[in-house]
Amino acid sequence: DTGVSQDPRHKITKRGQNVTFRCDPISEHNRLYWYRQTLGQGPEFLTYFQNEAQLEKSRLLSDRFSAERPKGSFSTLEIQRTEQGDSAMYLCASSLTTSGSRYEQFFGPGTRLTVL
Amino acid sequence: GIQVEQSPPDLILQEGANSTLRCNFSDSVNNLQWFHQNPWGQLINLFYIPSGTKQNGRLSATTVATERYSLLYISSSQTTDSGVYFCAVERYIAAGNKLTFGGGTRVLVKP
Repeated sequence: DTGVSQDPRHKITKRGQNVTFRCDPISEHNRLYWYRQTLGQGPEFLTYFQNEAQLEKSRLLSDRFSAERPKGSFSTLEIQRTEQGDSAMYLCASSLTTSGSRYEQFFGPGTRLTVL
Repeated sequence: GIQVEQSPPDLILQEGANSTLRCNFSDSVNNLQWFHQNPWGQLINLFYIPSGTKQNGRLSATTVATERYSLLYISSSQTTDSGVYFCAVERYIAAGNKLTFGGGTRVLVKP
């Protein structure tokens, strides 16, 4: 098991462009989460999936953001019409949740987005 | 929502010193995790500790859930302990499931 992986690790884009990030969770983890971390702050929750169902979205997730987990395995996070305020580290995490039990979350290395 | 406060915000240590980091939270929680964020941004799991005490090498943690705080102890600090330490809590509300992070404690260990 190689842990949570994210791609790309760094992305530089111009304002107005669309970007897409990918996250591969730990195999057999059924929950996948996206967080955003700006400089000097702790990560903030964006959204999470249980299998392929998106169960919760933060108000931080504007209409320009969309996340998918089509087959309950990897997930993508797309940002349309990027703005300079979108510059941040985007972190993905996964966990295993069974009936009545929830377990710790494990994080990937993150994708650092810079919007020029 | 639940509030998480960490103290101190910054900590400078001489190599070999011991230290205690504190995490206070505003409501009852079902899960508490401590992380170390390295200079490249990777969050490394230190402890999953909703209650009780755990030890892992030079690190140990104690969570007193009834009093809504957790402590992380670093003993005999090393330069590799430098980085940001985050406490994060989870409170199950219906189907909700997310970690709420504190602001972190930035630790610098000097040789």
